[in-house]
Amino acid sequence: QKEVEQDPGPLSVPEGAIVSLNCTYSNSAFQYFMWYRQYSRKGPELLMYTYSSGNKEDGRFTAQVDKSSKYISLFIRDSQPSDSATYLCAMIPYNQGGKLIFGQGTELSVKP
Amino acid sequence: DGGITQSPKYLFRKEGQNVTLSCEQNLNHDAMYWYRQDPGQGLRLIYYSQIVNDFQKGDIAEGYSVSREKKESFPLTVTSAQKNPTAFYLCASSTIPPWGAAGELFFGEGSRLTVL
Repeated sequence: QKEVEQDPGPLSVPEGAIVSLNCTYSNSAFQYFMWYRQYSRKGPELLMYTYSSGNKEDGRFTAQVDKSSKYISLFIRDSQPSDSATYLCAMIPYNQGGKLIFGQGTELSVKP
Repeated sequence: DGGITQSPKYLFRKEGQNVTLSCEQNLNHDAMYWYRQDPGQGLRLIYYSQIVNDFQKGDIAEGYSVSREKKESFPLTVTSAQKNPTAFYLCASSTIPPWGAAGELFFGEGSRLTVL
């Protein structure tokens, strides 16, 4: 079993839809949680990060962490074609510095 | 502009050949990383380095080698011992420790290696 599980999709939604992307994890030592966005043939870039349970909002994006269920989510409101990308969740155990553990990535396509 | 430069973008190799992928950063970051990305598998850590002249194996180091002679450079050699080298390779860097940015990695644009 992988430490971080993420549905690879692909996920296709119409423009304006609310998108929900999810990851589950098995290691309770994970303390920092991140979402990276990767456009085709490019390197990933950090979208959001959080280190506590609850919600964190940034514009149309909301990151949610539920440590008791070992479950994190990224919500995208009013999705746009420019949001079409692969979204990777990533986590850091508290005792392993910058060694991120990535999920498999979910490929999202937003259709105009 | 500060960033990470990987070269070449595309590389073809015959079986049995070693190839070296270049990674240079001008962000003044102490830590550098090499990840491999395969379809449906996310990013897997090959090697990482937190300081010049020191590096550690990641989860899939077999068949790869690295060096860190300069802070700004972290080349990766894919040796003939790597059984399935065809993949997308990503280099990244970060500050040490990354707590201030909660582990933000800055990635290059990747190098796609194909073995013929």
